[in-house]
Amino acid sequence: RKEVEQDPGPFNVPEGATVAFNCTYSNSASQSFFWYRQDCRKEPKLLMSVYSSGNEDGRFTAQLNRASQYISLLIRDSKLSDSATYLCVVTKSNFGNEKLTFGTGTRLTIIP
Amino acid sequence: GAVVSQHPSRVICKSGTSVKIECRSLDFQATTMFWYRQFPKQSLMLMATSNEGSKATYEQGVEKDKFLINHASLTLSTLTVTSAHPEDSSFYICSALAVVHSYNEQFFGPGTRLTVL
Repeated sequence: RKEVEQDPGPFNVPEGATVAFNCTYSNSASQSFFWYRQDCRKEPKLLMSVYSSGNEDGRFTAQLNRASQYISLLIRDSKLSDSATYLCVVTKSNFGNEKLTFGTGTRLTIIP
Repeated sequence: GAVVSQHPSRVICKSGTSVKIECRSLDFQATTMFWYRQFPKQSLMLMATSNEGSKATYEQGVEKDKFLINHASLTLSTLTVTSAHPEDSSFYICSALAVVHSYNEQFFGPGTRLTVL
């Protein structure tokens, strides 16, 4: 079983729609959780951290359920610029200095 | 934000040659850098953790004699793929740890696309 598993996608959704991604992780010792986005042939960039209380950044909402070892990302009012691969990332560290374990990513394409 | 550069961005080489990739933190010092590899349609996989002034720590299954890492200064880590073969063709990405608001965050370089003929 992979340490971090994500919806395989691809997700093709119309502009303005709401889209949700899911992710599960297998290591219960994981402490920190993130969503990164990666554009084609580019490096990953941090989108947002994920907290147990849930957190929101504009059109993006992330949720963490430690009991189920489940992470989600919700994108509202999707824009064409949201087209990318979204990577679920976990680490065992609270201090950000341990290795990041990446999921394979979910590819999102926003259709005009 | 913290900026990390990689050089070269793309390299094509013949089988059997060695290729050196540089990772630089441009506006901060990084005692720890990480080297990842990403094959098409796969996730980033950590290869090794590079610590300034000490030996790199390699992940299981990564040959340290094939992937030589040197972190000689606080702003530069290099990865040398020795005797490269076509199966080493991949996207190599480095990251560097920077302290942001009292928290360590990894900033990624733009990656190096290696093609071995």
